[in-house]
Amino acid sequence: TQLLKQSPQFLSIQEGENLTVYCNSSSVFSSLQWYRQEPGEGPVLLVTVVTGGEVKKLKRLTFQFGDARKDSSLHITAAQPGDTGLYLCADIDNYGQNFVFGPGTRLSVLP
Amino acid sequence: DAGVIQSPRHEVTEMGQEVTLRCKPISGHDYLFWYRQTMMRGLELLIYFNNNVPIDDSGMPEDRFSAKMPNASFSTLKIQPSEPRDSAVYFCASSLAGGVATGELFFGEGSRLTVL
Repeated sequence: TQLLKQSPQFLSIQEGENLTVYCNSSSVFSSLQWYRQEPGEGPVLLVTVVTGGEVKKLKRLTFQFGDARKDSSLHITAAQPGDTGLYLCADIDNYGQNFVFGPGTRLSVLP
Repeated sequence: DAGVIQSPRHEVTEMGQEVTLRCKPISGHDYLFWYRQTMMRGLELLIYFNNNVPIDDSGMPEDRFSAKMPNASFSTLKIQPSEPRDSAVYFCASSLAGGVATGELFFGEGSRLTVL
């Protein structure tokens, strides 16, 4: 059974700071997704990465997929209070059917 | 377009009562998932359906939990009898069949269940 680990578990920073959160797997990812969940809402997809070494940017967010496809990082530049939420990584099985989620990193950006 | 719709948003019940949670997936999506989220255990997959057929229910905690999908636009998750440890936020999500690069889960807003 695949285990996803995320670190740190909690992160509280000031507006304008940079941060990086991590996702690691006990086995190779088929593909990896990052979701953000705001309080009282369901998770929303941010990005999907498939190829080892892939880097994707979404405004102030930069996603990296490890060369061996067993780890990923999410870097946020100049964090804003609107970035507050739970960041979840997820693996999709080889058929694109089942999704397994990590425990998440709970980010709080203080104004 | 309407997203995934769940009801009720909040439910408070007493131990031993039956609880029914409802979900309407996005029209045209052929996969439906039920997840449970708690602080201790995170987001856990309970069961998922493909074209209304249950594919994997290995995450269903025990016989007190049951899920049905009588048609493409409706699913229920039932807990009978409910226990305090069932208190959690229950999410329904749907997706369109696709490969590993295109799969995306669309979540509802969740049903927050409190069992006293």
